[in-house]
Amino acid sequence: QVQLVESGGGVVQPGGSLRLSCAASGFTFSSYGMHWVRQAPGKGLEWVAFIRYDGSNKYYADSVKGRFTISRDNSKNTLYLQMNSLRAEDTAVYYCAHGGVREEYFDYWGQGTLVTVSS
Amino acid sequence: SYVLTQPPSVSVAPGQTARITCGGNNIGSKSVHWYQQKPGQAPVLVVYDDSDRPSGIPERFSGSNSGNTATLTISRVEAGDEADYYCQVWDSSSELWVFGGGTKLTVL
Repeated sequence: QVQLVESGGGVVQPGGSLRLSCAASGFTFSSYGMHWVRQAPGKGLEWVAFIRYDGSNKYYADSVKGRFTISRDNSKNTLYLQMNSLRAEDTAVYYCAHGGVREEYFDYWGQGTLVTVSS
Repeated sequence: SYVLTQPPSVSVAPGQTARITCGGNNIGSKSVHWYQQKPGQAPVLVVYDDSDRPSGIPERFSGSNSGNTATLTISRVEAGDEADYYCQVWDSSSELWVFGGGTKLTVL
């Protein structure tokens, strides 16, 4: 059974940094691309970043490009999101999601971790 | 970038059929995926590749896609179907994943 468990969320001041983690189990982590998707309070879903199964390719939403970095450690079955220069508008629940066979959709999701950017 | 447009809300009586649309320029040429999200929970994939269902998703959930509109159809609506629904595509031209704004389904 696929399990994705996010951690690392919390309250951070504007301009600060935070690193999120997503521990994966129940599937061969090193064979699948992985995503981060976020949801601001009371708002819709926003795709944030994607990393290919081997880390060879990474893609970012324009809203986070240059500030966020997605990475993975296949030996630890863990996905990361390094978030720098945080802004109030980055406040959201951050979900990690399994990319599926064709990487075009999100077939399994974690429960999410809340990031609050506030002074 | 590619834009997906959904109605903010749809209401339907129990036992009736709900149709939630997702508009986009020539969306019929893309694969559309749909997610259900209940309050306080993570999204769940209910339809992928326009009309396929993941295992465990009831046959009452179906999808179609043609021209400029994709549609998620929920037959014999139940109270437990009340949720937010999001459409999503992968835009190959920009290599970005795009969500619609979401539709709140209310079961009257």
